[in-house]
Amino acid sequence: KAGVTQTPRYLIKTRGQQVTLSCSPISGHRSVSWYQQTPGQGLQFLFEYFSETQRNKGNFPGRFSGRQFSNSRSEMNVSTLELGDSALYLCASSPNAANTEAFFGQGTRLTVV
Amino acid sequence: GENVEQHPSTLSVQEGDSAVIKCTYSDSASNYFPWYKQELGKGPQLIIDIRSNVGEKKDQRIAVTLNKTAKHFSLHITETQPEDSAVYFCAASTSGGSYIPTFGRGTSLIVHP
Repeated sequence: KAGVTQTPRYLIKTRGQQVTLSCSPISGHRSVSWYQQTPGQGLQFLFEYFSETQRNKGNFPGRFSGRQFSNSRSEMNVSTLELGDSALYLCASSPNAANTEAFFGQGTRLTVV
Repeated sequence: GENVEQHPSTLSVQEGDSAVIKCTYSDSASNYFPWYKQELGKGPQLIIDIRSNVGEKKDQRIAVTLNKTAKHFSLHITETQPEDSAVYFCAASTSGGSYIPTFGRGTSLIVHP
């Protein structure tokens, strides 16, 4: 069974640009969550989706948005990139609606210059 | 909101020794506590989890204990091996329909051969 797949693995963007990251969950998983990992702030929750509905959102500005498609694949978008958005963005999928026992992807390393 | 503190930030042990990582949480409503292992260049991997109705859970060389009264939980690794070297994260979460984890800052475990 394939794991959680995130694309691309690495990305370099310029300040002010926007970026879209993609996540394919494990087959059959309908719960998808996104996290930002930085040395300064650690692992922080961004959003959580279940069956195309955003159920929870973390404390991030409106520049961060996401969506989930009918096949459970998810994308997150960051507009007007800032240097501080440089981070490892992690996606996780869960086999249950409670979002427990989550499996993480390898992440997308975003560098904003 | 929930606040999770994790200690120590770095733990160095000899192969075969035991390792203990401790976390405290602030929200008494938290009732799901996963532990993750993150190796260099990879996403976090769930290694064990515990729910608030259980005081201890064991899986081979790994065990987790939970003290709800004191609001702290610990990860115990026995007979450590070099491949146990990684960063370990604890998390605490409350179900508001789905569990959204708040993570500790991580413990870098180094097991010397």
